[in-house]
Amino acid sequence: GDSVTQMEGPVTLSEEAFLTINCTYTATGYPSLFWYVQYPGEGLQLLLKATKADDKGSNKGFEATYRKETTSFHLEKGSVQVSDSAVYFCALLSGGYQKVTFGTGTKLQVIP
Amino acid sequence: GAGVSQSPSNKVTEKGKDVELRCDPISGHTALYWYRQSLGQGLEFLIYFQGNSAPDKSGLPSDRFSAERTGGSVSTLTIQRTQQEDSAVYLCASSLIVARELTEAFFGQGTRLTVV
Repeated sequence: GDSVTQMEGPVTLSEEAFLTINCTYTATGYPSLFWYVQYPGEGLQLLLKATKADDKGSNKGFEATYRKETTSFHLEKGSVQVSDSAVYFCALLSGGYQKVTFGTGTKLQVIP
Repeated sequence: GAGVSQSPSNKVTEKGKDVELRCDPISGHTALYWYRQSLGQGLEFLIYFQGNSAPDKSGLPSDRFSAERTGGSVSTLTIQRTQQEDSAVYLCASSLIVARELTEAFFGQGTRLTVV
């Protein structure tokens, strides 16, 4: 079945550091890929998405590129801020059942 | 509605009681999902609806859990004879079909269930 694997957290970075959160997936066909973010005390919200190979999703300074050859969708940001502290979830939406499958989430803590 | 609405936002119940959690999806969204998020854990898939039917119930943890959806809109997740391990945040999400493809899921704020 479909699955998403994320790097385990928590990840602790200093402000303005470079961020990478790894995500790899297993799916049949050609899934769409997503990153969701959950800020403390809030619900999940979509951060960015990519619907086909080599697409780059971007939002709020975050980027992720859909790499079919490595089945990856790593999240990156060049300079993190304290306000980026949250839990980040990688997800895929596949054909067939068309069910959204989530990774286990990676907690990011940015310290001043 | 403007977003996915869940009620109640918080529920404290005694062990052994039944609870009902409600989800009101975004108007026009035909796909509806229930997930569970336990403290410090990731998102656990429970059930997925396409219209009123549930093609995937594989995530329901036991026969104490059931869900229904009527009129292609509101969904109710019912937990019978609650146990302490049922304590979690229950999240509902909905998504739209565009050109026969599902789009991204939009989440509600969740119902925090505490079984004491």
